[in-house]
Amino acid sequence: EDQVTQSPEALRLQEGESSSLNCSYTVSGLRGLFWYRQDPGKGPEFLFTLYSAGEEKEKERLKATLTKKESFLHITAPKPEDSATYLCAVVSGAGSYQLTFGKGTKLSVIP
Amino acid sequence: DAMVIQNPRYQVTQFGKPVTLSCSQTLNHNVMYWYQQKSSQAPKLLFHYYDKDFNNEADTPDNFQSRRPNTSFCFLDIRSPGLGDAAMYLCATSRQTQETQYFGPGTRLLVL
Repeated sequence: EDQVTQSPEALRLQEGESSSLNCSYTVSGLRGLFWYRQDPGKGPEFLFTLYSAGEEKEKERLKATLTKKESFLHITAPKPEDSATYLCAVVSGAGSYQLTFGKGTKLSVIP
Repeated sequence: DAMVIQNPRYQVTQFGKPVTLSCSQTLNHNVMYWYQQKSSQAPKLLFHYYDKDFNNEADTPDNFQSRRPNTSFCFLDIRSPGLGDAAMYLCATSRQTQETQYFGPGTRLLVL
């Protein structure tokens, strides 16, 4: 059974204080790892898809990396508008359709 | 912009009164999904359609039904809502299974 564990559960940062969120996974044949941002009362907003170890993707202050066991979402010089819950999800196995989500990391960036 | 649209954004219903939530997409994706998300929890898949092929998750209650009359639209019907069905309902689409899923803004359902 696929498992996704995100840490920490919650993270408070001062504006400008860079940090990383962790997503560790146990799957049988990773087909894709996805990062989403979710604001309160809204649907998840797609950020990145990673397919293989060593892959990296960047968007503004965010950078996602992938190894064979975990993914990191690095946040450089965060701003208060980066405050949200960040969800990690994986899909695995041939023919599988179901995303397995982690419980998310709630990020708060204090001005 | 291509997108996933959900209506209404907020829905209030009474205990036992049927309710229908709608989702439309302009992405022309083959796969559409319905998720239920309760407070501080991860989204839980209810069902998905690959084109017109319907796939029901084993633990989705019989109280929940879905229809996909065409590529663009998908509906979630809750036949007799209970208090435990109050949640955010999310629609998502993907071009193919195993590819990136794009979510709509969600419908918040309140059951009185």
